[in-house]
Formats: sequence, structure tokens, C-alpha cells
Amino acid sequence: QITLKESGPTLVRPTETLTLTCTFSGFSLNTYGVGVGWIRQPPGQALEWLAIIYWDSNKRYSPSLESRLTITKDTSKNQVVLTVTNVDPVDTATYFCAHRTNFYDGSGHYPIIDYWGQGALVTVSS
Amino acid sequence: DIQMAQSPSSLSASVGDRVTITCRTGQSIGNYLNWYQQKPGKAPKLLIYGTSKLQSGVPSRFRASGSGTDFSLTISSLQPEDFATYYCQQTYSTLYSFGQGTKLEIK
Repeated sequence: QITLKESGPTLVRPTETLTLTCTFSGFSLNTYGVGVGWIRQPPGQALEWLAIIYWDSNKRYSPSLESRLTITKDTSKNQVVLTVTNVDPVDTATYFCAHRTNFYDGSGHYPIIDYWGQGALVTVSS
Repeated sequence: DIQMAQSPSSLSASVGDRVTITCRTGQSIGNYLNWYQQKPGKAPKLLIYGTSKLQSGVPSRFRASGSGTDFSLTISSLQPEDFATYYCQQTYSTLYSFGQGTKLEIK
């Protein structure tokens, strides 16, 4: 049974660094094809893909936020950490972490995000 | 980034209606298109992967099709639990961008 859970501060001051931790169980981030991604959703708005780290330690970032994001993994602790530097009130959002796999259904391989954490609301305010 | 244009942004319908949501991408993505359902305060739920393949446990009233740059999700015979927000997502590029969402409301 795959589960993920986000943790971190609920309130961050502008210009500070936000650090979020995703603690997962039921899979290994050493397994071929597996990744953990971060997605955020400002209140009442759409989902925004932020970053992903793969089993082989490859990382990909949203180009619009790349200079402010860092994603790392600790496979021994089953954790993935996302840092966002120099936060602004527009970074106020629910932050989700999610499991990515390259699903094979007999006809082909499909990258899917199939398990999500419950989300963590982060407010940026002075 | 691959741009995603989802429409309509909102839709009112009644139980039993058939509705269709469309998603257009800025470049061809083959069949690497997924659909999610999100209810208020909850994480998104995967409904469809690979353009038209039903995720395990998803009712057959959800159907999807498309290829290249044009995709659609159809819900036949809406049920009360289907009123939610729906998102398309491409997994062709390494930045798995989402559409802007379609909020499906009860008329």
C-alpha cells in the first residue's frame, strides 16, 4: 500500500526559505522508473507542476521556478525534500507530493502520477 | 513547457447528463495524456491514463479519446459524485504540465 505525506511549516515569512518533506511508504525510490514529484495549488486555482526526482537521481524543475527550487532524496529515510527560496505571498498554496511510475499495462509504458499525499497548506505572509 | 488549453473552465449539468471536456496541447504529445478528478480539499485522483485507458476502479461512464494535440473526456450519465474539478495532464515532456481545470457543477 503506497502512502505519501507532506510535512513542513504552515506559515513562512516573505524572503525566507520554505522546506517541505515528503515521507513515503510502500515503494522504493531505488526502483527503476519510480519518481516523486511536487505539485502545488494556490487557493481556488489550478494545479502547477514544480519538480520531480527519479530513482536514478535525475531531477527536473519547472522552468519558471527552477532558480528557486531544489529537490533531493534520502532513500534510507524514504523521504524527498523540496526547498523553495525567497518565498513571496504568491507562493501561498497547498503543496502535494506524488508517486510517479512508468506503468506497463500490457500494451505500452505510460508515465502516471498514481498516488498523492493529502497536501500541506503553506501560507506566505508577514 | 508544453502549453495546455482545457475547456470549458466551468460547466453546469444535471444528474444523468452527458458532458465532454476538451484539452488541447501546444505540440503533439502522442497519447501521453492523463485525466484527474479533484474534489474540494482532496488530492487529485487519476481517472484516465494513456489518453483513453481507464484506471483500475474507475467507472466505465468515464471515457476519453484523442491523439496528437486534441483530447477529450466524456462522462456519460452524470452521477452526484461526479461533480468535481477535472484536469488534463501531459506526461510527454519531463515537465508534467496540467490544464487549467474544468469545474463541473450541478445545474
